[in-house]
Amino acid sequence: DVKVTQSSRYLVKRTGEKVFLECVQDMDHENMFWYRQDPGLGLRLIYFSYDVKMKEKGDIPEGYSVSREKKERFSLILESASTNQTSMYLCASRGQTNQPQHFGDGTRLSIL
Amino acid sequence: RKEVEQDPGPFNVPEGATVAFNCTYSNSASQSFFWYRQDCRKEPKLLMSVYSSGNEDGRFTAQLNRASQYISLLIRDSKLSDSATYLCVVNLGYGGSQGNLIFGKGTKLSVKP
Repeated sequence: DVKVTQSSRYLVKRTGEKVFLECVQDMDHENMFWYRQDPGLGLRLIYFSYDVKMKEKGDIPEGYSVSREKKERFSLILESASTNQTSMYLCASRGQTNQPQHFGDGTRLSIL
Repeated sequence: RKEVEQDPGPFNVPEGATVAFNCTYSNSASQSFFWYRQDCRKEPKLLMSVYSSGNEDGRFTAQLNRASQYISLLIRDSKLSDSATYLCVVNLGYGGSQGNLIFGKGTKLSVKP
């Protein structure tokens, strides 16, 4: 079974802080994704990566950056956290095109 | 037009009922299709892939109609544990991303005793 592990289930940070969310997958997948999920808005793609050191913006990249230095790890960075970034953050990985994505448990991030 | 549309529900059904969800997608070039299940405050989990010929997994049947661009999920003999939100997911299968998944907003199912 694919295992996608996110570093924290719950996280509370303050406005203006730099926040790091980590994600690790154990299936040697090329593709990794970061989403946020908010009530009524569904899943929205922030950034994705299809190879080491490669990244592409998703639908809502503003206020975020990412890092993929190793194939198994994809990090999401909130450069200067704001209250509107309070959300559930979900990491996913996928192997080949046309295969489904597998999600981590999610991180509930609150920015105070 | 939204890329993937689902009836948000909620669908409130008694145990043992048969319930069907439909989902429409706008991009005719879409190449693969999935149903995910998401429990409250949990991550989405793959329920089943949807194949052109239709496929069944126990009480669950998925069908794809490419001509009309819709996907369906049928749940027979509903159980209390089926209560969840069901997400319709479409893979465009092209582009620099090597195919992003487009998620519907989900249909909420509540099975009552």
